[in-house]
Amino acid sequence: SAVISQKPSRDICQRGTSLTIQCQVDSQVTMMFWYRQQPGQSLTLIATANQGSEATYESGFVIDKFPISRPNLTFSTLTVSNMSPEDSSIYLCSTGRGGVYNEQFFGPGTRLTVL
Amino acid sequence: LAKTTQPISMDSYEGQEVNITCSHNNIATNDYITWYQQFPSQGPRFIIQGYKTKVTNEVASLFIPADRKSSTLSLPRVSLSDTAVYYCLVNQGGKLIFGQGTELSVKP
Repeated sequence: SAVISQKPSRDICQRGTSLTIQCQVDSQVTMMFWYRQQPGQSLTLIATANQGSEATYESGFVIDKFPISRPNLTFSTLTVSNMSPEDSSIYLCSTGRGGVYNEQFFGPGTRLTVL
Repeated sequence: LAKTTQPISMDSYEGQEVNITCSHNNIATNDYITWYQQFPSQGPRFIIQGYKTKVTNEVASLFIPADRKSSTLSLPRVSLSDTAVYYCLVNQGGKLIFGQGTELSVKP
């Protein structure tokens, strides 16, 4: 299993600013994922971040808006840039061993409110 | 990408068996079926995963028919603490695509 922590747990930000969310895993992992969960909704995959390569973004998400770093095998960051109230969501990171048989472990999430 | 469809909500009582069925009509040959549970203000938690027939662990059972176009999560003897949202997903090469989920409410 993997234990994941995220910082901050929640934040309230002003429109037009940026927030960087940190995700720390207690073991080395190859694949990390970032999700967004809007209030009362399901999770939407933003991007896949593998160490040593550029993040792969899902349809509707772009690097300029959600830049991701993956400097090593235990850490990743997601930045929400030039925020608007529509970016108010819970952002979660997860990881897994990869492959088709894959149990993923999720962090507790970062609750972001944009005013 | 395979899309999943499941009931939006279900109600049950403590001690009952709960079965949640999910359809995934365009599942691909290499896809696995995975179920996650999510409590409020927490990240999803893995419950069970399978490819075909039946899989059982200490928490639940997963029934998958031969055509694999649907699957059923079975929770035996639910308790109040099983109140949560349950997601059926198709695992495509390690990437999880979440559907709408089923909100299960267990009543005393």
